[in-house]
This record gives sequence, structure tokens and C-alpha cells, in this order.
Amino acid sequence: GQGVEQPDNLMSVEGTFARVNCTYSTSGFNGLSWYQQREGHAPVFLSYVVLDGLKDSGHFSTFLSRSNGYSYLLLTELQIKDSASYLCAVRWPNYNVLYFGSGTKLTVEP
Amino acid sequence: NAGVIQTPRHKVTGKGQEATLWCEPISGHSAVFWYRQTIVQGLEFLTYFRNQAPIDDSGMPKERFSAQMPNQSHSTLKIQSTQPQDSAVYLCASSLRWGSQNTLYFGAGTRLSVL
Repeated sequence: GQGVEQPDNLMSVEGTFARVNCTYSTSGFNGLSWYQQREGHAPVFLSYVVLDGLKDSGHFSTFLSRSNGYSYLLLTELQIKDSASYLCAVRWPNYNVLYFGSGTKLTVEP
Repeated sequence: NAGVIQTPRHKVTGKGQEATLWCEPISGHSAVFWYRQTIVQGLEFLTYFRNQAPIDDSGMPKERFSAQMPNQSHSTLKIQSTQPQDSAVYLCASSLRWGSQNTLYFGAGTRLSVL
């Protein structure tokens, strides 16, 4: 919704990495969050970014380019249990509502 | 801390019946959000309360949906004359100080099935 776009699916191999991309409309941007959602469970907060650049949080890192309306979530040293949907959500100034993309389903194969 | 509690977990209604969904936010959290999730539409914003006051209901289908927060410990989402297209998982989320703090804590959701 609100111009937040993500690819539907992504596959990668255990022990390697995966990059989940997110693009959004740049008008009035006020911060971007990433959530992980396992099948049948609620979304769980991973990261929040509002400034350009890479934010390293160990297993998860996030990158933001505000001028390009682009972010990615980087997962390193993938484990099978990282298989989940990853949701990008953008906050706009109108009451600070969080609008989510449709999510990228990451499948980590052995 | 029990997290955000939503009841019931599953609800089945017949077309045209009413459905009321309940949410208990985390104690002390000032902001409460309602979203619904479907495979086709993803996670859609419905409405948002801060300190029990309605702030933004721009995502709510106006004719049949209503939400209230009568006290700081619970919020309800009511759907009148339910239709098959209302079938979805309805998620409630709360935040400690939304705006200065950026984490939403989601409940497990209520799966609504309209037959």
C-alpha cells in the first residue's frame, strides 16, 4: 500500500546471504521499518532506519537511500529458520501511520 | 508481559452477521493500531488510536466497520453485515510512544472467515 513495493519471492542457500529489496514513494518519507513474519504468526520488528546508509545489526543489516526511495534488508550466514516473509513498512507524516509492502517470502534451502 | 492479546483467535460468521474483534494492548502502551492481512492485499492499515483517542481511520471501510477504544486496556473492531470479502486476519498492534519510539508489537491476530 501507499507505493511500497517488494518482490514476492526470494530463494537462497543456507550459509550464504539474502538481500530483500524495498522501494517506496519518496514524497514525505518519515522512516522505514522491517518486520519478519513467520507462517501463521504475527509480524515481529527487526529494524528501523531514517538516515541514509547501512545500519549493521549483526545477522540483519539494513540500508537506506532516501533520494532513491530504496531500502534493503541483508541477512547474512543464513539459516533454515530464516525462512519467513519480510515486510518493509514506510511511515509518512500524516499521523505517522505505518504502511506495509506486501512482503517478500524468503526460502532458505539446505 | 503477555504481549498484545487478541480474541477470539478464529471467528466464523455467516454472510450478513456481525463480528466483534477484541484487542488488549500491552499495558502502558499509548498507541493502538488495527490492520488486516490477506494474501491478495497484504497488510492493510485500518485505524489508529493514541491515548484512546481516534487519530486516523482513513483505512476503514466506512459503511460497515467501526472501532472503539473505551479504555486504555482494550479496543474493539466491529464489522456489521459481514461479507465474504471481509475474510482476513485482523491484527492489532500497540506501541509505547509511537512517534518517538518506532516499534509496533503485534498480536497473534483474529482469523475471520465469512461464509
